[in-house]
Amino acid sequence: EVQLVESGGGLVKPGSSLKLSCVASGFTFSSYGMHWIRQAPKKGLEWIALIYYDSSNKYYADSVKGRFTISRDNSKNTLYLEMNSLRSEDTAMYYCAKGSRFAYWGQGTLVTVSS
Amino acid sequence: DVVLTQTPPTLSATIGQSVSISCRSSQSLLHSNGNTYLHWLLQRPGQSPQLLIYSVSRLESGVPNRFSGSGSGTDFTLKISGVEAEDLGVYYCVQGTHAPFTFGSGTKLEIK
Repeated sequence: EVQLVESGGGLVKPGSSLKLSCVASGFTFSSYGMHWIRQAPKKGLEWIALIYYDSSNKYYADSVKGRFTISRDNSKNTLYLEMNSLRSEDTAMYYCAKGSRFAYWGQGTLVTVSS
Repeated sequence: DVVLTQTPPTLSATIGQSVSISCRSSQSLLHSNGNTYLHWLLQRPGQSPQLLIYSVSRLESGVPNRFSGSGSGTDFTLKISGVEAEDLGVYYCVQGTHAPFTFGSGTKLEIK
């Protein structure tokens, strides 16, 4: 059974940093590209980053480019999102999702940026 | 960036009614490799999104066949043939052809 489990969210102040993790199981993690997607409270879904299966390519939404970094450790079946210079508008539930179809999603981890 | 325009924003249906949701793209979603990466997701209340339809018209494993997708280029449709109570939630289209990838704004399906 495919499982994606996010962690690392929390309450932080504007300008702070945070690193999210997504641990994958039930499939060959090293064979799939992975996404981060977020959802602000009561809002729609916003795609924020993609990393290829071998980390050879990374893509970002303009809203996070230069502040967020996506990475992965295939030996640990883990996807990461390093978030710097956090703003109040980054407050959201953050999800990781598998592959080009967005076929599986985790349960999300909540990031709240507030003073 | 590609803009996906979903309509209608809300939909109210009775059990058994058939409904359609439109997703129009600001540019063609046909990838240079011949695939069209337009997918449909459902987010039920309090849950993570789940994949229903991928690559325009392919039914994800385990998804009831009352869901179907169609379209090409810039114009796509999700159809539910005979709404059931469990279908309530917000439906999103998402494109994975052109980075940065983008979601539609969502269509909320309510059951009358």
